[in-house]
Amino acid sequence: KNQVEQSPQSLIILEGKNCTLQCNYTVSPFSNLRWYKQDTGRGPVSLTIMTFSENTKSNGRYTATLDADTKQSSLHITASQLSDSASYICVVSAGSRGNKLVFGAGTILRVKS
Amino acid sequence: DGGITQSPKYLFRKEGQNVTLSCEQNLNHDAMYWYRQDPGQGLRLIYYSQIVNDFQKGDIAEGYSVSREKKESFPLTVTSAQKNPTAFYLCASSIDRVSLNTEAFFGQGTRLTVV
Repeated sequence: KNQVEQSPQSLIILEGKNCTLQCNYTVSPFSNLRWYKQDTGRGPVSLTIMTFSENTKSNGRYTATLDADTKQSSLHITASQLSDSASYICVVSAGSRGNKLVFGAGTILRVKS
Repeated sequence: DGGITQSPKYLFRKEGQNVTLSCEQNLNHDAMYWYRQDPGQGLRLIYYSQIVNDFQKGDIAEGYSVSREKKESFPLTVTSAQKNPTAFYLCASSIDRVSLNTEAFFGQGTRLTVV
């Protein structure tokens, strides 16, 4: 069964600190992996997308890593800001043409001042 | 501005009523999707459409119906047959559902509550 597991379920950090969110998946055949940021009551917005041949991709203070062998991904947030408070969703594309999206439940991040 | 628009933002439904959620995009995307989001769960696919006048059931289609008469529009009807409709509904679109790097763009969501 295709599954995406994210941890932790929620996280509270102080402004300015770094944090890392985890995503483990059992999706086959793997096509690509994306991280989305979802503010409360809003639609998800894409942060990064990686294919199996990429192991690191950055977008400003966000850096995503992918280990296709262990089927793990992480999202590292550097120098957190209050506006980083959101849900972060890991999404894996399955199928030979990447035409089935499997969503994780998300990690809720709260940044405190 | 190009984008995907959902309306209304909040919707209340009495038990036994059908309600329709609107989704419009001006991104010239071929594919459109409807997802349901419940607390503590990942998004679940209700219906998707790859082209005008064609749509396919997703993982949780029971109690829902859709139409795709225009490329820009993909309305979702929540029927009285859906026993637990209270949820956050997200519409998305993408250029092509089969591309390896297809990115889905999401609307702002509609929160449906049964009263």
